[in-house]
Amino acid sequence: GENVEQHPSTLSVQEGDSAVIKCTYSDSASNYFPWYKQELGKRPQLIIDIRSNVGEKKDQRIAVTLNKTAKHFSLHITETQPEDSAVYFCAASKGGSGYSTLTFGKGTMLLVSP
Amino acid sequence: GAVVSQHPSWVICKSGTSVKIECRSLDFQATTMFWYRQFPKQSLMLMATSNEGSKATYEQGVEKDKFLINHASLTLSTLTVTSAHPEDSSFYICSATPRVDTQYFGPGTRLTVL
Repeated sequence: GENVEQHPSTLSVQEGDSAVIKCTYSDSASNYFPWYKQELGKRPQLIIDIRSNVGEKKDQRIAVTLNKTAKHFSLHITETQPEDSAVYFCAASKGGSGYSTLTFGKGTMLLVSP
Repeated sequence: GAVVSQHPSWVICKSGTSVKIECRSLDFQATTMFWYRQFPKQSLMLMATSNEGSKATYEQGVEKDKFLINHASLTLSTLTVTSAHPEDSSFYICSATPRVDTQYFGPGTRLTVL
């Protein structure tokens, strides 16, 4: 089955700096890669996703890049703010088949200091 | 759009009792819903996939007789933890898909078994 590795497990940055979280996946058939943000005790919230026919996607301060050949994808947050502090999860699935299960990485705790 | 609710948000029960958790898609129909379990500071672990009108598909290692899933309608799935024990204490989260691939999560239910 699919295996998703996520690094780093914790990331501390100063407000205004950029943050990068990286994930690798094992199944070359995976074609859908969402990123979720989870605050303590709250639900995971979808912040951005990318499909395998696209190499990069951007939404304001958040961007995701995908390298299918290397089987890795990354989340980039620019101009970080204290409210960006949370746990971020990457995931992978083989979409387009009715429904598809997500395999999650272990998460990255991002701490943004004012 | 794509709002998922979950009830109750928290529950405390005695060992040996059963607990039912409801997951509802409020503004879309979901033929498929997913149930996850999350321990503190860990990632989301898929327990089962709930399909409207058919039996749930359980992940390896998840006891289907202990975690009963019913997908009664296109907007409601329930998870019943039967004969709960302290080791079942966890954060249970459901998700639903308004379209292929993208999963939106409920707010979660924190179960504490005494």
